[in-house]
Amino acid sequence: NAGVTQTPKFRVLKTGQSMTLLCAQDMNHEYMYWYRQDPGMGLRLIHYSVGEGTTAKGEVPDGYNVSRLKKQNFLLGLESAAPSQTSVYFCASSHNLQASAEAFFGQGTRLTVV
Amino acid sequence: GENVEQHPSTLSVQEGDSAVIKCTYSDSASNYFPWYKQELGKRPQLIIDIRSNVGEKKDQRIAVTLNKTAKHFSLHITETQPEDSAVYFCAASANTGFQKLVFGTGTRLLVSP
Repeated sequence: NAGVTQTPKFRVLKTGQSMTLLCAQDMNHEYMYWYRQDPGMGLRLIHYSVGEGTTAKGEVPDGYNVSRLKKQNFLLGLESAAPSQTSVYFCASSHNLQASAEAFFGQGTRLTVV
Repeated sequence: GENVEQHPSTLSVQEGDSAVIKCTYSDSASNYFPWYKQELGKRPQLIIDIRSNVGEKKDQRIAVTLNKTAKHFSLHITETQPEDSAVYFCAASANTGFQKLVFGTGTRLLVSP
């Protein structure tokens, strides 16, 4: 039982490059989320999904795109990376609030944009 | 939208002392309040949560209290141990058809032996 798995764990990008972060969960969760974590700012929601084929913007969506083609996967894309996107990215998943609301997090991806 | 404020940003205590972390929220529709612990270099993990129909919840050395009128909730850790050292995040969520957790900015707790 792997839980929530993120790939890659570390990445260094040059300004303007693109990349995709992959999140996979094996708990049959409906909801999936992408957060970024910056010092002193906690966890800020980038995008989220309430089900396969659906996505929605969170608090800080600019510069990111997402897709959820399969229930178990949630992809986060950076089309043209900027130094301001240097951060630690966490994926999370949960059942809906009526069932069990605990959000399970992946191990994080440390991204540096130079 | 929801806004969650968390205080203090850092907290240093001696082993065996109690620690209290406080959060306030803005959205009166919020009804689910979890606390996550994040050890250095690790992922956040749920340690305790409370729903709006409950005023207090305990789990061994940790407890959470909720005051809906004042829109604040607190985490209490008693008999602190060095392994309690971590960053603690509060969060709030409104049950408006989907769950969207809004996190506080975190409290770094340091427990000295």
